[in-house]
Amino acid sequence: QQQVKQSPQSLIVQKGGISIINCAYENTAFDYFPWYQQFPGKGPALLIAIRPDVSEKKEGRFTISFNKSAKQFSLHIMDSQPGDSATYFCAAVDYGQNFVFGPGTRLSVLP
Amino acid sequence: EPEVTQTPSHQVTQMGQEVILRCVPISNHLYFYWYRQILGQKVEFLVSFYNNEISEKSEIFDDQFSVERPDGSNFTLKIRSTKLEDSAMYFCASSAQPNSPLHFGNGTRLTVT
Repeated sequence: QQQVKQSPQSLIVQKGGISIINCAYENTAFDYFPWYQQFPGKGPALLIAIRPDVSEKKEGRFTISFNKSAKQFSLHIMDSQPGDSATYFCAAVDYGQNFVFGPGTRLSVLP
Repeated sequence: EPEVTQTPSHQVTQMGQEVILRCVPISNHLYFYWYRQILGQKVEFLVSFYNNEISEKSEIFDDQFSVERPDGSNFTLKIRSTKLEDSAMYFCASSAQPNSPLHFGNGTRLTVT
């Protein structure tokens, strides 16, 4: 019940395309859903986050879509750039500050 | 922008030796964490720490692991007797309050030979 599933495991997108990464959870106690971006040799960095009272949040080229009834959320990267190539982790957090991370998606954006 | 700093960036040790990984969380943060990431794999929770005591710990965080906040700024992870399978990136993280973003350091790469 504490697991967060994430797909795909890896993703290759052409420059300018849309990258979509999906996550799903079971535990209804989760109420905060951040996405982290990790470059090789670096720690994960917060990219964007959403709370379940909204269905969508957009920051620049990054959008989170949230479906509370389906217990699913996704990250969309519009106009993907080679600099977006990184590993992306979704996470789910409960009020006890327990962060559960998905297994990650390795994104490669081809020039 | 304030950041979490970790030292050393890379630690090589022999099996059975003790290591201490050090972290300086963001100064006004109250919640501290250690995570582990084996090369190319997911980020795994080890332990959370609040108000000078452990809040939660995972199955990975067994008796060979300990955490300490020896002063007002440092947060350390000690591994008493390292094993080969302890080789991983260890990330420290902090947050200001519950249900707020985690800020990660750049990690310490631990190599046990």
